[in-house]
Amino acid sequence: QSALTQPASVSGSPGQSITISCTGTSSDVGRYDFVSWYQHHPGKAPKLIISDVNHRPSGVSSRFSGSKSGNTASLTVSGLRAEDEGDYYCSSHAGGNTLVVFGGGTKLTVL
Amino acid sequence: EVQLVQSGAELKKPGDSLKISCKGSGYNFGPHWIVWVRQLPGKGLELMGIIYPSDSDARYIPSFEGHVTISADKSINTAYLQWSSLKASDTAMYYCARLTITDTNVDLWGQGTQVTVSS
Repeated sequence: QSALTQPASVSGSPGQSITISCTGTSSDVGRYDFVSWYQHHPGKAPKLIISDVNHRPSGVSSRFSGSKSGNTASLTVSGLRAEDEGDYYCSSHAGGNTLVVFGGGTKLTVL
Repeated sequence: EVQLVQSGAELKKPGDSLKISCKGSGYNFGPHWIVWVRQLPGKGLELMGIIYPSDSDARYIPSFEGHVTISADKSINTAYLQWSSLKASDTAMYYCARLTITDTNVDLWGQGTQVTVSS
C-alpha cells in the first residue's frame, strides 16, 4: 500500500476558502467511501475532523467539509481563521493486510 | 472519557532496546485495531503496522517488519511498540491510534511519544 498523495502546502488569507486534495488509487480512495481527514497541531494529538468522506464528528466546525471524486478526495476549509493553521492529513480504508493508508500531510498557512 | 494515553518521552543510545505503550480507556479495547504511526522530524505520518488486541494479530508495513515488534495485552488495555536495537534514524514521534469498530477509519489518536536516539 502506497501513501496517499497530498500537496505539501497550501495557504490562504483569513475569510477565504482553501481546498486540500488527497489522491489515491482504485484500491483505496476510489474503492471505499471511508476517507478521513485529521488536523494536527505540533505537540498535540491529531484530531479527526472528517470521516466517511464528508461526515463531521460532533463538535467539528461546519467550516470543514469533505468530498470525493474518483480516486481523489478533498477537504475544504471555508472562512479561514488563524487557528486553522496546522498540518492536515488524509487517510483511507484500503482493505488488504494493514487496512488503512495515510497521506503525506499538507501544511496550511493562514496568511 | 474515551482516550488513548501513550507513555512518556524516551532518550536512548544506539543499540538500546525500548518498549513504548499505548493504553486505551473508556471503550472496549479488544475489538478495535490499534495502528502505530511514525513521524520523522519535519515529515508526515507513516503507518508502521497494526494490531488487533483481542487476538494479538499483528501486521506490518514491509519497511518496518523485522525492525520493530507490535504487541498487545488486552487484559490491561495496552498496546506496545518495541525495538531490540535502536538506531539514530529511529528518532521520531510515534503515535498510536484506534480504528473504528468497522475497521474503516481512524477515529482516535494518542498524544504521541517522542523517541530520541543519540550517543
